[in-house]
Amino acid sequence: AQSVTQLDSQVPVFEEAPVELRCNYSSSVSVYLFWYVQYPNQGLQLLLKYLSGSTLVKGINGFEAEFNKSQTSFHLRKPSVHISDTAEYFCAVSLNAGGTSYGKLTFGQGTILTVHP
Amino acid sequence: DTAVSQTPKYLVTQMGNDKSIKCEQNLGHDTMYWYKQDSKKFLKIMFSYNNKELIINETVPNRFSPKSPDKAHLNLHINSLELGDSAVYFCASSSDYEQYFGPGTRLTVT
Repeated sequence: AQSVTQLDSQVPVFEEAPVELRCNYSSSVSVYLFWYVQYPNQGLQLLLKYLSGSTLVKGINGFEAEFNKSQTSFHLRKPSVHISDTAEYFCAVSLNAGGTSYGKLTFGQGTILTVHP
Repeated sequence: DTAVSQTPKYLVTQMGNDKSIKCEQNLGHDTMYWYKQDSKKFLKIMFSYNNKELIINETVPNRFSPKSPDKAHLNLHINSLELGDSAVYFCASSSDYEQYFGPGTRLTVT
């Protein structure tokens, strides 16, 4: 079974500062990796995903993440945050099941990013 | 154009009641899911259907019964509601590796 650990439950940061949200995973087989964002009282929106290829993945809203297989990590970064980035961020994995479209997502516990003016 | 919609958005009910949450997607996806987000924001999959067939059934009490009348709809019926069922329930759909989530249904059992 796979598992996901988000190392920080809350990350406060000032506007225009860089931020990194940490995610580590555990799995006996290869996985696909995702970051989702949840704004208050809303559903989840996909920020970015890693399926294969380049380990540096760029997503929406200026976010990027780097897949590190040796460290089993998939940390999310943004060089300069805005007030509007305040939200909860979830790292998730699904099994690399050879093309099946119904791999379930296993989520981390979430990281609340709060951007202060 | 709502991709994945859920009704109702809020549901307040008493213990012991039976309730349903409906989900519809207009993305043409084959696979749909139900997730539960508890009070600590932890998200966990409950069920998954592919082309109206149940393919994932996590350790969910029998009081929860999903039904997929067609591949665009996945409803969740809950019998004999308990206090611990209070949560936000999210529906999602996917055709590839990306899952699209609905806005959620906040269920409060009193």
